[in-house]
Amino acid sequence: EAQVTQNPRYLITVTGKKLTVTCSQNMNHEYMSWYRQDPGLGLRQIYYSMNVEVTDKGDVPEGYKVSRKEKRNFPLILESPSPNQTSLYFCASSLIKLTGELFFGEGSRLTVL
Amino acid sequence: GIQVEQSPPDLILQEGANSTLRCNFSDSVNNLQWFHQNPWGQLINLFYIPSGTKQNGRLSATTVATERYSLLYISSSQTTDSGVYFCAVLNTGANSKLTFGKGITLSVRP
Repeated sequence: EAQVTQNPRYLITVTGKKLTVTCSQNMNHEYMSWYRQDPGLGLRQIYYSMNVEVTDKGDVPEGYKVSRKEKRNFPLILESPSPNQTSLYFCASSLIKLTGELFFGEGSRLTVL
Repeated sequence: GIQVEQSPPDLILQEGANSTLRCNFSDSVNNLQWFHQNPWGQLINLFYIPSGTKQNGRLSATTVATERYSLLYISSSQTTDSGVYFCAVLNTGANSKLTFGKGITLSVRP
């Protein structure tokens, strides 16, 4: 089944404890992206990647890192999480850039205490 | 950047009713998608529709790119249609991200 898989789906952590949210797609997509969704602010892009080893900042990259060493994986790293990073996070992928349909993972709900 | 406006912001329907959700955008686009976010937070692809008309069961969508709007039609609504409906567009000439509207919250009552 074609899908974008995120883990963990739910996580409660404490300020400063490094964490990684994994994202994997099995559709051989070149484009991958991370969004966060917050009440009243909608969906905002954090980082995106056009292809392996190519990443760039979105609208709200502060406090996050990403890497794209393999085509299928695009992990989101929070080196020192803070409470303002409490949010619902989505990974997404598309075949080539955004010329086609964008597919989302199921979301990861993160709480930073 | 491109602006995306969705209307109405909230909609309450009785089960079985029909509805039309609207998405207006401020510039030319070469990608437009409709998503449904269910009560569990999952974003479900409904339509990839940069132009033309598509139908999928009780749902259909039409995009008139030259007039910068798209419509999502829901017929014979069911309680499972409840949730938030997002329109998202890619501005022509851009390629890095979709711009999302604020969403339309739909509640279908039994």
